[in-house]
Amino acid sequence: SAVISQKPSRDICQRGTSLTIQCQVDSQVTMMFWYRQQPGQSLTLIATANQGSEATYESGFVIDKFPISRPNLTFSTLTVSNMSPEDSSIYLCSISEPFNYGYTFGSGTRLTVV
Amino acid sequence: GIQVEQSPPDLILQEGANSTLRCNFSDSVNNLQWFHQNPWGQLINLFYIPSGTKQNGRLSATTVATERYSLLYISSSQTTDSGVYFCAASGGSYIPTFGRGTSLIVHP
Repeated sequence: SAVISQKPSRDICQRGTSLTIQCQVDSQVTMMFWYRQQPGQSLTLIATANQGSEATYESGFVIDKFPISRPNLTFSTLTVSNMSPEDSSIYLCSISEPFNYGYTFGSGTRLTVV
Repeated sequence: GIQVEQSPPDLILQEGANSTLRCNFSDSVNNLQWFHQNPWGQLINLFYIPSGTKQNGRLSATTVATERYSLLYISSSQTTDSGVYFCAASGGSYIPTFGRGTSLIVHP
């Protein structure tokens, strides 16, 4: 299956600042997904990112807060903007390889906002 | 969308014990996966199993698509098996819905 490199692995940020998370895939993929996992909770889909078009956001998530870039078929970034302590979560990127491996996830970014 | 329910929510085992985790889903699926999230937050793909049975070492999984459930078996559990086990299912949209997970603690 494809390999995803996600960075940073963790960060501690001041409230009001922004953090950009990067995901690099070792092969070309059509769709990439960004998830949030709040402490003790399951994974929630933030948005789906397709190359060459704007990301599609799930209910409760907006582009101004979580802008996403997808400049090519192997790379995507998620920015968490104007952070507050409520944004402290694990953020994960994912790709789909249906019929073979299903979904593969990056190693995650553990964000703490103070 | 598809609803995914996992049971039990919490499980505590002694090393060497066997266990069965269950995942029920509300509709037909074209993808069902089991993941293990380790204490560092990494999500490891255990099985891609929309139907049938697979085995990998001490772990095995069975999905009965017609009855809308999947089971994950852990035999001879080890402390390194501790963590949260997630089931994720998707239908026509191919976007998975995650269950709430089973938190497993294996004591030495």
